[in-house]
Amino acid sequence: GDSVTQMEGPVTLSEEAFLTINCTYTATGYPSLFWYVQYPGEGLQLLLKATKADDKGSNKGFEATYRKETTSFHLEKGSVQVSDSAVYFCALSLPNQGGKLIFGQGTELSVKP
Amino acid sequence: EPEVTQTPSHQVTQMGQEVILRCVPISNHLYFYWYRQILGQKVEFLVSFYNNEISEKSEIFDDQFSVERPDGSNFTLKIRSTKLEDSAMYFCASSERLMGEQFFGPGTRLTVL
Repeated sequence: GDSVTQMEGPVTLSEEAFLTINCTYTATGYPSLFWYVQYPGEGLQLLLKATKADDKGSNKGFEATYRKETTSFHLEKGSVQVSDSAVYFCALSLPNQGGKLIFGQGTELSVKP
Repeated sequence: EPEVTQTPSHQVTQMGQEVILRCVPISNHLYFYWYRQILGQKVEFLVSFYNNEISEKSEIFDDQFSVERPDGSNFTLKIRSTKLEDSAMYFCASSERLMGEQFFGPGTRLTVL
């Protein structure tokens, strides 16, 4: 079935370090891909998205490129800040499925000063 | 900025009792969703709702669950007879269009004793 797999957390980095959170997917159709972020005590917020192969989504210094050949959508940021500490969720959505999002298990990021 | 709200933030109930979780989606949105996250597990899709009908539901969403938009602003999830395994964080989301960005509420933590 359709699924999303993320790298295990928690990930602990020092401020200004480079971040990569891996995400791969399995889908029967042609999905749209998303990264959501959840800050402590809040709901999920869309961070970025890509709707077709080779699209790059970007927002707040984060980037992810839709790679159809490797079925991946890895999240990267060149220099993380303490305020980036949160849980990051990779997700996909397929046409004709009522808009449902299929999430990965989430990766907790902790950035230390 | 418009946001999705959910009440209550925390609900404690006895096994076998009925609970109603409430959500107020963003006012011009047409598509509504419920997701849940059992502690330590993935965020799972439960149901999507459009034009006063369920458009997609997961296998989790059995006869114990129902959704309703009773008054044009609220969107509710009812669990008729709660089980211990229903303990989870329940998230409501809404979107303006199908496959559009889903805006999530902060969640209701349901604890079944």
